[in-house]
Amino acid sequence: DTTVKQNPRYKLARVGKPVNLICSQTMNHDTMYWYQKKPNQAPKLLLFYYDKILNREADTFEKFQSSRPNNSFCSLYIGSAGLEYSAMYLCASSRSWGGANTQYFGPGTRLLVL
Amino acid sequence: GEQVEQRPPHLSVREGDSAVIICTYTDPNSYYFFWYKQEPGAGLQLLMKVFSSTEINEGQGFTVLLNKKDKQLSLNLTAAHPGDSAVYFCAVPYQGGRALIFGTGTTVSVSP
Repeated sequence: DTTVKQNPRYKLARVGKPVNLICSQTMNHDTMYWYQKKPNQAPKLLLFYYDKILNREADTFEKFQSSRPNNSFCSLYIGSAGLEYSAMYLCASSRSWGGANTQYFGPGTRLLVL
Repeated sequence: GEQVEQRPPHLSVREGDSAVIICTYTDPNSYYFFWYKQEPGAGLQLLMKVFSSTEINEGQGFTVLLNKKDKQLSLNLTAAHPGDSAVYFCAVPYQGGRALIFGTGTTVSVSP
């Protein structure tokens, strides 16, 4: 089973309010990722967890936070949503060792900020 | 760092025709690549993983060609059918293989 689950599938948020998105996988993958995808753009890596170590991309460092309470779950947290956060958020997981890691994606959470 | 360009952004083909999507990457040391398919409302579905040791890879209804000299990766949909209508992304690993950089995607529309 290569299923990655995301909740919620759709999220409506107000400007200035926090947003918390959840991802889970049962493949015992050590690495979990969050990407942001806007229409007609490539998915953009926001951050990833390798085991318990969080790596955030330099240009999104202060905009997104994440936690990984255990191997299976990973959250993406926006402290104060802005209009520019409206996008699809994709979670993925992979097994890091051995090289040629395949990332398996969840169905995404569509966030709309008003 | 690695950069990926994907073209064309849109493709409209008739059922039974073929379609070609091309990605150009910059890092000559890249040794594996991915193609993903995104159907409407869905996440990214892995279509194929491609290793640099194999220049021709065949899947169900498509062929992936790797041209290492020109650093190009192409996805050839053969005999397209309406179920192939989706957005296709190529992806190349970076950061030591832990992250992916994606192309901008190609929206393929297959009409009966």
